[in-house]
Amino acid sequence: QQPVQSPQAVILREGEDAVINCSSSKALYSVHWYRQKHGEAPVFLMILLKGGEQKGHEKISASFNEKKQQSSLYLTASQLSYSGTYFCGTEDTSGTYKYIFGTGTRLKVLA
Amino acid sequence: NAGVTQTPKFQVLKTGQSMTLQCAQDMNHEYMSWYRQDPGMGLRLIHYSVGAGITDQGEVPNGYNVSRSTTEDFPLRLLSAAPSQTSVYFCASRPTGNQPQHFGDGTRLSIL
Repeated sequence: QQPVQSPQAVILREGEDAVINCSSSKALYSVHWYRQKHGEAPVFLMILLKGGEQKGHEKISASFNEKKQQSSLYLTASQLSYSGTYFCGTEDTSGTYKYIFGTGTRLKVLA
Repeated sequence: NAGVTQTPKFQVLKTGQSMTLQCAQDMNHEYMSWYRQDPGMGLRLIHYSVGAGITDQGEVPNGYNVSRSTTEDFPLRLLSAAPSQTSVYFCASRPTGNQPQHFGDGTRLSIL
């Protein structure tokens, strides 16, 4: 079963902050975050490997809580270029090695 | 370094026709996957492979076949196209060890 992301959609003004959550019903060994612009392929943003570890990319950071099977993406002082759909992704931990994505969060930043 | 290359970029088929979407990667990645993305929706796994000669089904495998004869190539075959298969298809590859996916540019497929 794919990870569930919340919220499903969010609209921001430039300069505002947002948090996107990714929750899994299965254990997570690592979480990856991607951003997809309209009409394009998803682009990898960052990887979270250890519980509680935070990674950063521009003004975007993320955290990973292994015990809660959750990851959160933090967008600070959002820019117009942050608009797109954000996905978390992870390798299935049941031993199949298949890679699945979360349900996605559509983010729109307005001027 | 080309990365993941998908062909064609666009295709229109009639119901009942068959075709093969091509995917090739030059990064020597062991794992390759096919996803479909319907308008405004997420990425659903069709089939995947963990190495040459090894393939397995994802969440939505019906109506599609795959094979992996080499590390580089992972074609997706539509057996008898149906309008419900109208979608954008993405091929992705990644190395072993909980690594992220590298995507091709996608194939936009319309079934009339």
